[in-house]
Amino acid sequence: DADVTQTPRNRITKTGKRIMLECSQTKGHDRMYWYRQDPGLGLRLIYYSFDVKDINKGEISDGYSVSRQAQAKFSLSLESAIPNQTALYFCATSDPSPGRTDTQYFGPGTRLTVL
Amino acid sequence: DQQVKQNSPSLSVQEGRISILNCDYTNSMFDYFLWYKKYPAEGPTFLISISSIKDKNEDGRFTVFLNKSAKHLSLHIVPSQPGDSAVYFCAARKGGGSNYKLTFGKGTLLTVNP
Repeated sequence: DADVTQTPRNRITKTGKRIMLECSQTKGHDRMYWYRQDPGLGLRLIYYSFDVKDINKGEISDGYSVSRQAQAKFSLSLESAIPNQTALYFCATSDPSPGRTDTQYFGPGTRLTVL
Repeated sequence: DQQVKQNSPSLSVQEGRISILNCDYTNSMFDYFLWYKKYPAEGPTFLISISSIKDKNEDGRFTVFLNKSAKHLSLHIVPSQPGDSAVYFCAARKGGGSNYKLTFGKGTLLTVNP
């Protein structure tokens, strides 16, 4: 079984709709992240969470919100989707414990299309 | 301002030969560098990393070289195999309290021809 799972894997929605992307992990990591990738661009950080009570904005958080329901679950919401939010969305986790390198491990991604 | 640059969008090599993927960075505060490999319809997979206190790190067929003075790193794959065909992302992060944040390059598509 995959360590980091994302649902749905593909989603088509319409402008103005609210949509939630979900991420679950079985790695036991405290840190979780949401990124988006646009064609020809690298990954850009949307939000990150160091634990259940800690949520922080990344470099492109406008138009997005997140919820950390448990150590293992981190959800990304688009309150009112717009076409330029069409992208690939990736969830990642990492472990900052002493002796670990805090390397980020990614889920399989969600392809979101906003019409 | 792009702090991590992968100037070659694509690279094509023959099976069995060496693949060299390059990455340049501008921020001297970066002290840890990673390479990720990404297949279509999958998430990026961690490949190899290097700390700024080293100039080389090797893991099987994969070696990463770091030249701090030139702010340049490269990933060598020897010998290249068709299964290595993927997009390779270079990423960097700063030390200290913000060490969570990865800055990614745009990626290089490697094609290994049989």
